Amino acid sequence: EAGVAQSPRYKIIEKRQSVAFWCNPISGHATLYWYQQILGQGPKLLIQFQNNGVVDDSQLPKDRFSAERLKGVDSTLKIQPAKLEDSAVYLCASSPPKGFYGYTFGSGTRLTVV
Amino acid sequence: GNSVTQMEGPVTLSEEAFLTINCTYTATGYPSLFWYVQYPGEGLQLLLKATKADDKGSNKGFEATYRKETTSFHLEKGSVQVSDSAVYFCALSESSGNQFYFGTGTSLTVIP
Repeated sequence: EAGVAQSPRYKIIEKRQSVAFWCNPISGHATLYWYQQILGQGPKLLIQFQNNGVVDDSQLPKDRFSAERLKGVDSTLKIQPAKLEDSAVYLCASSPPKGFYGYTFGSGTRLTVV
Repeated sequence: GNSVTQMEGPVTLSEEAFLTINCTYTATGYPSLFWYVQYPGEGLQLLLKATKADDKGSNKGFEATYRKETTSFHLEKGSVQVSDSAVYFCALSESSGNQFYFGTGTSLTVIP
């Protein structure tokens, strides 16, 4: 089974610029998550989709972050404008509707804001 | 609320040493518990899981037992290898099955 695909793997931007990350979940996985992992910390949930609807975006900084999941498959996470503290690895994960059996994570996008 | 607390690292061991990484949790219901591993430059991979009290998860020589009485899920391996060098994350999933909570991770380095 193909895994969760993410792109790009690395991105370096200047502060105040915008950036977008893409995620393609495992086929058939209805639930998709975006996590932010700051160096030395555990992943923090940014947003959770069930099909193309948002289930939880309580920790998403909505003044600068946005995410969408068109047609309930691929998803895009955008930051505009970026700040230095947004430097992190952005992880996408997917799971069947009930996540009891663990997510499958993508390899992540490492963002550096300079 | 729900939370996971892991022992702080970094941990450095010699090859074939015994490994324990402590993990305790706080949960409002009956969570499932997980250990994820992150190798350098890669995403998180599920290492093992346990879905109810007294279950033992195991994989690749690693084991962890779900202890409800001590709210713990300690990771153990009898003989570590250099290839086990990675960051290990303990996590819980609420009984509703969707929201995950991760610990801060424990970095393990195994030296020959």
